[in-house]
Order: sequence, then C-alpha cells, then structure tokens
Amino acid sequence: DVKVTQSSRYLVKRTGEKVFLECVQDMDHENMFWYRQDPGLGLRLIYFSYDVKMKEKGDIPEGYSVSREKKERFSLILESASTNQTSMYLCASKRDSDDTDTQYFGPGTRLTVL
Amino acid sequence: TQLLEQSPQFLSIQEGENLTVYCNSSSVFSSLQWYRQEPGEGPVLLVTVVTGGEVKKLKRLTFQFGDARKDSSLHITAAQPGDTGLYLCAGLPPLYNTDKLIFGTGTRLQVFP
Repeated sequence: DVKVTQSSRYLVKRTGEKVFLECVQDMDHENMFWYRQDPGLGLRLIYFSYDVKMKEKGDIPEGYSVSREKKERFSLILESASTNQTSMYLCASKRDSDDTDTQYFGPGTRLTVL
Repeated sequence: TQLLEQSPQFLSIQEGENLTVYCNSSSVFSSLQWYRQEPGEGPVLLVTVVTGGEVKKLKRLTFQFGDARKDSSLHITAAQPGDTGLYLCAGLPPLYNTDKLIFGTGTRLQVFP
C-alpha cells in the first residue's frame, strides 16, 4: 500500500511565524503535490514537484514556497504565516507512469494561524 | 480557468434512500475522477472515467462520464451510514503532459441510520 504521511495532524501558529509542513511518501513516486482545502472551494493546488529539486507553481502559490531535496520528501513553507492561511493542507503523490492518474493523499494538516 | 461545480453542496438522507451527485463544467476533460474523503483523512480515489458516455459501477455506486466529457454524475443506491463523507470530483485537462487535476467544490453527504 502507498503511504503518504504528514508531519502533524494539527498545528497552531502565530501571525508572522515561519511554518514548515512536511510530507513523506514511501512508494518512490516522482510527482508530489501540496493542496489547501477550504469549505466550498474544494482542493486548490499550491505547488507541485515532478522530480527532486524541481517545482512548479499551482493555482495559489502566493505566500508559500516548497522544497524537494529528496525524492520521498516534499516540504511546504509559509515564510510569514497570516490568518488567511488558516486551512487544511493536503499532500499527495503520484507515480509518473500511472495511466490512471491516481493521486494518493496524506491525512492532512489542519493549520490555525492566530 | 477551468472550474468544476458540484451539486448539491450538502445532502442529508436516511439509510436506504437513493441519491445523485453532479459534477459540471463548461470545459472538456480527458478523464474524470471521483474521490471520497472521510473525516480526519485525505481523499481516496473511487474511480476514473475516461471515455465520453462511460459508465462504471462500484457495488452500489454508479459513475457516469458525460458524452461531451464536460460533466459527470455519481449515483448511490440504497445509501448506508458508511457512505457518509465528502465526495470530490476531479478532472484532468486535455493538455499534453500535465498532472494538474482540477478539483470540484465537493458534496458533503450524511446518511442517517
């Protein structure tokens, strides 16, 4: 079974703090994704990576950055957290050659910025 | 920007009832997926439909891709409390070499015993 793990289930931070969200997958997938999930808006793509040290902006990259130093790990960074970044953050991974385009998701990190 | 609108946004029904969830867009997708997300978990893929008009069945769940590949529906027969969750459709745009899924707005289903 594919396993995608995220470093924290719940996180509370203060405005202006630097926040790191970590995601690890154990199936040697090439592609990894960070989404945020807000009620009524579905999942919105923040950034994705298709290889080590490679990244591409998604639909809402402002206020975020990412790092992929190793194939299995994809980190999302909030350089200076703001209250409008309070959300559920979901990480996903996908095998590049998977014709079914299945994305495997982690359990999510619910971030609250006070 | 391609959008996927789901309806209804919320659905509360009694065990044994039937229901249909819709996923609509003005854009064409090369494939469409349905995910279910349970509380405290990430979404899990239920099905992928690829061909216009395609129908797939997964036990009591029936998925259909529109003929023009712009819309999809999920029908659940005799709903059970275990079907409770957030249902998300996701479309893959017909662009070469893209892995960027477009997710729908979600339908939250509650099935009462």
